[in-house]
Amino acid sequence: GDSVTQMEGPVTLSEEAFLTINCTYTATGYPSLFWYVQYPGEGLQLLLKATKADDKGSNKGFEATYRKETTSFHLEKGSVQVSDSAVYFCALSNTGFQKLVFGTGTRLLVSP
Amino acid sequence: GAVVSQHPSWVICKSGTSVKIECRSLDFQATTMFWYRQFPKQSLMLMATSNEGSKATYEQGVEKDKFLINHASLTLSTLTVTSAHPEDSSFYICSASPAGREDTDTQYFGPGTRLTVL
Repeated sequence: GDSVTQMEGPVTLSEEAFLTINCTYTATGYPSLFWYVQYPGEGLQLLLKATKADDKGSNKGFEATYRKETTSFHLEKGSVQVSDSAVYFCALSNTGFQKLVFGTGTRLLVSP
Repeated sequence: GAVVSQHPSWVICKSGTSVKIECRSLDFQATTMFWYRQFPKQSLMLMATSNEGSKATYEQGVEKDKFLINHASLTLSTLTVTSAHPEDSSFYICSASPAGREDTDTQYFGPGTRLTVL
């Protein structure tokens, strides 16, 4: 079945450091790919998405490119802030099914 | 827009009682809503898919008689935890996919409901 694998956390960075959170997937067909963020005590928020190969999703300085050849959707940000501290979930949705398959989540801790 | 609300945001109940959680899409119609359960520091586990006007589809291992789901309209789905026990204590999250829009493949999440069963 479909699955998503994320790097284990926590990822600990200093403010203004470069961020990469790896995400790879296994799926039949051509899934849509998502990054969701969950701030402490809150529900999930859609951060960005990409629906086909080579698409780049971007939002709030975060970017991720849909790489079909490596089945990856790594999340990057050039300069993190303390306010980016949260749990980041990579997910996929296969066409026609709508069901989201989530990775286990990666906790990001950014210190001043 | 894509706002999903849940009510209540937290609830404490006694063992053996039932609790109803509401999920509403505030600015879009959703033929499909989803219910998840999230344990501390873990990912989301899909419990069931709720379809407007029809029975919910439950994931393997989820007791349909314990977790009653009703999708009464295009903007409202409810989850009732019947005869709750302490092991049902968890964070319950719903999501909804917009119907008839280009982002129909995107799920928008509610803020979650923290259930504590004493």
